[in-house]
Amino acid sequence: GAGVSQTPSNKVTEKGKYVELRCDPISGHTALYWYRQSLGQGPEFLIYFQGTGAADDSGLPNDRFFAVRPEGSVSTLKIQRTERGDSAVYLCASSLTGGVMDEQFFGPGTRLTVL
Amino acid sequence: KQEVTQIPAALSVPEGENLVLNCSFTDSAIYNLQWFRQDPGKGLTSLLLIQSSQREQTSGRLNASLDKSSGRSTLYIAASQPGDSATYLCAVGKGGNYQLIWGAGTKLIIKP
Repeated sequence: GAGVSQTPSNKVTEKGKYVELRCDPISGHTALYWYRQSLGQGPEFLIYFQGTGAADDSGLPNDRFFAVRPEGSVSTLKIQRTERGDSAVYLCASSLTGGVMDEQFFGPGTRLTVL
Repeated sequence: KQEVTQIPAALSVPEGENLVLNCSFTDSAIYNLQWFRQDPGKGLTSLLLIQSSQREQTSGRLNASLDKSSGRSTLYIAASQPGDSATYLCAVGKGGNYQLIWGAGTKLIIKP
């Protein structure tokens, strides 16, 4: 497929556990964004990658959240010691260069539920 | 701090009507504005992207306008259909990374 894909589509975990969420961007897109959407809200920015580097991680809520993109393609969002407040839909988006003319294309999201 | 507001939060109209969804933002220093559609349990689909230098964009039955000076954008949907039922979100691109800042959305229901 040519779109952004995310796995898993749903993740249920217990409080205190560690989770990893994966994003496969559109091939050739250098910019990758992670957002988090709580019920009834618009998405909130978490982190932005340009290539392999995290160019802006100012949206990460605390140090339990970390993301990597080691080869400049697939990205993994990692959450340690999950809390019930982390429950949300985690959205990944990619764009060609991250420039002002670019549209951001979104994946279907991963719904994370922390019990 | 940029804030994006969408009013109304929900809207229900009969099929065939033309309708307008509203989006307002507090800081006019934006790079672009996008309108998205979100279907339940699915991802976001980009509908229209308006650059800051543009006034409007059109795609099929959709027309989006942008007035930066007043901090407003509207999404006009002509001849609405039941398949248009979804949540519509607007987002402004701001900052060096053009990260999107979002409204909470308008949930639209088109009644057959």
